[in-house]
Amino acid sequence: EAQVTQNPRYLITVTGKKLTVTCSQNMNHEYMSWYRQDPGLGLRQIYYSMTVEVTDKGDVPEGYKVSRKEKRNFPLILESPSPNQTSLYFCASSPNRDRFNIQYFGAGTRLSVL
Amino acid sequence: AQSVTQLDSHVSVSEGTPVLLRCNYSSSYSPSLFWYVQHPNKGLQLLLKYTSAATLVKGINGFEAEFKKSETSFHLTKPSAHMSDAAEYFCVVSDQDDMRFGAGTRLTVKP
Repeated sequence: EAQVTQNPRYLITVTGKKLTVTCSQNMNHEYMSWYRQDPGLGLRQIYYSMTVEVTDKGDVPEGYKVSRKEKRNFPLILESPSPNQTSLYFCASSPNRDRFNIQYFGAGTRLSVL
Repeated sequence: AQSVTQLDSHVSVSEGTPVLLRCNYSSSYSPSLFWYVQHPNKGLQLLLKYTSAATLVKGINGFEAEFKKSETSFHLTKPSAHMSDAAEYFCVVSDQDDMRFGAGTRLTVKP
C-alpha cells in the first residue's frame, strides 16, 4: 500500500531535549516536505527536499533541522525544543515539485513541549 | 506572490442539506487549486484538484468545485451533506513559485 509513515504519532517532551520525528514514504517520490498545523493558521511549510541531499527552508524553519540521505526518508530534528514548537506536524511527499502534483500526507505527529 | 483565503472558519449544516465552503485565491500565474479533507486524527486526503482543464471539477464523495477566474474563487460544494462529511477542509493554491494552504474550514453536520 502506498503510504507516508510518521513516527511517533504522539510525543510529550521537555524544553531542550533533542528529538527526531521520522518520516518514510514507499512511493519513490522525489519531493518531501514537513508542515506544522496550528489553529487558525492552516499548514505552514517548515522544510522541503527536492531530491536526495537537497533541502531548503520553508516559511517557518527556525528551530528545526532536516536531512535527506536517502530518497524514502526525511526526518525532522528539533535540537532544542521550546514550548512554541508544540504543534501538529505532517510529513508529505509527491513525485516532484510540479504544481499539478498531489501531495500525500502522513497521519501526523502531535508534539507537546513542556 | 500568492495567497489563499477560506472565508469561513466554521460551517454548520444539517444532514441532507447542501454544503458550501468558500475559497478565494490570488496568484501571479495560472495556478493549480486543490481541496484536501482532514478527518479527526488523520492526515490530509485529496478531495479534488483543478489544473486548467474543465472549470467544474468533480471529486470524491460527491464533492465538486468550480474554478471562477473572474472572481478568483474555488468554492467547494456538495448537494447533500452526510454525517461522515464532518471534518476540516483546506483549500490550497500552487503555482511556479510556491504552495499555500488556507487556514481551514471546520464542517459540522447536525443530525
